[in-house]
Amino acid sequence: AQTVTQSQPEMSVQEAETVTLSCTYDTSENNYYLFWYKQPPSRQMILVIRQEAYKQQNATENRFSVNFQKAAKSFSLKISDSQLGDTAMYFCAFDYGQNFVFGPGTRLSVLP
Amino acid sequence: DTEVTQTPKHLVMGMTNKKSLKCEQHMGHRAMYWYKQKAKKPPELMFVYSYEKLSINESVPSRFSPECPNSSLLNLHLHALQPEDSALYLCASSQQQGKPRYGYTFGSGTRLTVV
Repeated sequence: AQTVTQSQPEMSVQEAETVTLSCTYDTSENNYYLFWYKQPPSRQMILVIRQEAYKQQNATENRFSVNFQKAAKSFSLKISDSQLGDTAMYFCAFDYGQNFVFGPGTRLSVLP
Repeated sequence: DTEVTQTPKHLVMGMTNKKSLKCEQHMGHRAMYWYKQKAKKPPELMFVYSYEKLSINESVPSRFSPECPNSSLLNLHLHALQPEDSALYLCASSQQQGKPRYGYTFGSGTRLTVV
């Protein structure tokens, strides 16, 4: 069975600071994709960043970057220069060609 | 158009009512999904449609009845729901089922309250 774990139920960060959200997963698959989704109070799940497991280079999207450690099955999200609009639930997700497996989520609050 | 549109945004229904949720996308995606999300929890998969055919039913009670009239539209028909069915219902789409490369595009959901 594929599982995704996010060990930090809640986190907070000061505006303009950097924060890292952790995610680990368990799979026996070799080819898969990893995603971070953001769900603000507006409810819509928004794709933040994605990583293809066969690519060693860590993905980056503007202020968002990941630290992908395939051997350790770890996929953390770093948010630089945090903004108030980054306040949201963040879900790590895994897909190997069946369907998404979501982690339990981390609630991030950016403080002014 | 890169959106998934869900209507209505909010719905309150009695346990004897019949209502429908609607989801629409015009991105040419051939896989569409219904998820149920309780507060502070991740989304739970309910149904998957692939090329307009039901591909996965995650043992969802028959009071939830999905329908995919065409490649752009997905409905969820509701009948005789229970208060515990109150939740956020999310629709999503992807290019194809089993091809996860680009992830899913989600709608903003329907907040359902059963009274």
